[in-house]
Amino acid sequence: NAGVTQTPKFRVLKTGQSMTLLCAQDMNHEYMYWYRQDPGMGLRLIHYSVGEGTTAKGEVPDGYNVSRLKKQNFLLGLESAAPSQTSVYFCASRNYEQYFGPGTRLTVT
Amino acid sequence: RKEVEQDPGPFNVPEGATVAFNCTYSNSASQSFFWYRQDCRKEPKLLMSVYSSGNEDGRFTAQLNRASQYISLLIRDSKLSDSATYLCVVKVGNQFYFGTGTSLTVIP
Repeated sequence: NAGVTQTPKFRVLKTGQSMTLLCAQDMNHEYMYWYRQDPGMGLRLIHYSVGEGTTAKGEVPDGYNVSRLKKQNFLLGLESAAPSQTSVYFCASRNYEQYFGPGTRLTVT
Repeated sequence: RKEVEQDPGPFNVPEGATVAFNCTYSNSASQSFFWYRQDCRKEPKLLMSVYSSGNEDGRFTAQLNRASQYISLLIRDSKLSDSATYLCVVKVGNQFYFGTGTSLTVIP
């Protein structure tokens, strides 16, 4: 039982490049979330999903897209990366309490 | 106004001390409340949920005051391993709002 996993763990992008972050959970949770964490800001919600095939915007959705084609996977896409998207990205899933993945450290130069 | 506010600290306490963290939230529609712990460069991990009647888990006690929109966490008999950042989390609808965290260092 791996819980919540995220790939990749680290990534460096150049401005304008695109990438997809993958989150996978094996706990059969309905709800999944993508957050970013920046120094002094706490975790902020980017997008979330309440079930397979659904997505919704969170607090800071601009510049990101998401998809939930399978219940166990939640993908976060950056179409054209910007330096302001340099951050640590955490995925979480839940029925009641949230369980987090180990994070992806993304640097955009 | 931020949804959740915490004193960032840092709190530096000796082993064995009792330390309390406070948190306030702004949305009266908040439904559920949690304390998470985050170690440096790691993911947040659930410490405990916070119930209206207050609840205890070993050395940790959480309290909720809905009238004042206030949550607290008390750690008794602090251990070196308690050193971490403690995050106050509030659920509104399907969304969770995090405080910026309170840093605790327990000193030998």
